[in-house]
Amino acid sequence: QLHLQESGPGLVKPSEALSLTCTVSGGSISSSDYFWGWIRQPPGKGPEWIGSVYYSGATFYKPSLTSRLTISVDTSKNQFSLRLTSVTAADTAIYYCVREYKGSSLADPWGQGTLVTVSS
Amino acid sequence: QSALTQPPSVSGSPGQSVTISCTGTSSDVGGYNYVSWYQQFPGKAPKLMIYDVNKRPSGVPDSFSGSKSGNTASLTISGLQAEDEADYYCCSFAGTFYVFGTGTKVTVL
Repeated sequence: QLHLQESGPGLVKPSEALSLTCTVSGGSISSSDYFWGWIRQPPGKGPEWIGSVYYSGATFYKPSLTSRLTISVDTSKNQFSLRLTSVTAADTAIYYCVREYKGSSLADPWGQGTLVTVSS
Repeated sequence: QSALTQPPSVSGSPGQSVTISCTGTSSDVGGYNYVSWYQQFPGKAPKLMIYDVNKRPSGVPDSFSGSKSGNTASLTISGLQAEDEADYYCCSFAGTFYVFGTGTKVTVL
């Protein structure tokens, strides 16, 4: 059974970069059937799709985050990562990684999520 | 990139049916059959209930159903149960990205 686990700092200072990694176990990140995505949810608010990456390295980003966002994949480690620069308090959220089925809106499973707080 | 519009809350008595609407535009909901619905309990990750407008993942009861007409998608919960009380979010493909709805709290009276 596929399992996704987020990891990274829980506290980031304003104006610095937020970096998270999602480790995939129980399956290969190199499958051509899936994208690997990031979704965040600010406290008390709804989810927000951030972006996704294909095993080839092709990426899709939320347009408003394009200038600050990089999502990459490391097939040798079965991991994909998110880097968001110049963070502000508005980037405080639970960050989830998720498997997205190609050619479908099916996104499952999700990781358990990790809370990232932007504060000095 | 505006969020899809959902009613803030809907309620119903046990056994009744409730329907949650999700209104977008021709660039998202109306343009693709890639609408999904998530159920979320406090402190938990969202759980996929419907994908591709009307498909149910394995394990989701058939009391949950989805549909779409024009720029509006809908989630119907039939035979409402106490354990269905949760927040529900729609999500739609919008060309190169996904957009979520504003969320609806379902209350079982």
